[in-house]
Amino acid sequence: NAGVTQTPKFRVLKTGQSMTLLCAQDMNHEYMYWYRQDPGMGLRLIHYSVGEGTTAKGEVPDGYNVSRLKKQNFLLGLESAAPSQTSVYFCATRRSLASYEQYFGPGTRLTVT
Amino acid sequence: GENVEQHPSTLSVQEGDSAVIKCTYSDSASNYFPWYKQELGKGPQLIIDIRSNVGEKKDQRIAVTLNKTAKHFSLHITETQPEDSAVYFCAASRDTGRRALTFGSGTRLQVQP
Repeated sequence: NAGVTQTPKFRVLKTGQSMTLLCAQDMNHEYMYWYRQDPGMGLRLIHYSVGEGTTAKGEVPDGYNVSRLKKQNFLLGLESAAPSQTSVYFCATRRSLASYEQYFGPGTRLTVT
Repeated sequence: GENVEQHPSTLSVQEGDSAVIKCTYSDSASNYFPWYKQELGKGPQLIIDIRSNVGEKKDQRIAVTLNKTAKHFSLHITETQPEDSAVYFCAASRDTGRRALTFGSGTRLQVQP
């Protein structure tokens, strides 16, 4: 039981390049979230999903896209990376509508030069 | 939207002393208040949470108090140990479908042996 895993752990991109971050969970949780963490700030919500095939915008969605084709996977895409997207990205899951707790993955550190 | 402020940003205590971290929130509809511990290079780990229908919750050396009238909540760690050294985040959410967390900016706790 791995919980929440994220790949890759680290990545360096050049401005304008694209990439996809993968979040995978084996807990059969309905809800999945993508947050970014910047120095001196709390985590901020990028996008979230309330179930397979559904996605919605969070606080800071610009420059990102997401997909949830399978319940266990939530993908975060950067179509044209910018230096402002240098950050640590965390995925989180929540079991169901009735639950409150969110469980986080280990993070992906992304640097855009 | 919700705004969560957290103080202090850094806290240094001697092993065995108590540590207190405080947060205030702005949205009176928020009803769930978790605390996360983040160690270097890892994702946030849920350590304790409280819902708005109770004023205090305790789990061994950790306790959280909530004052709904004043819109603030606090984390109390007693008998601190070096392994408590980490960054601690408070968060708040309200009863919407997404229940996204709004985080404070974090407190770096250092426990001196």
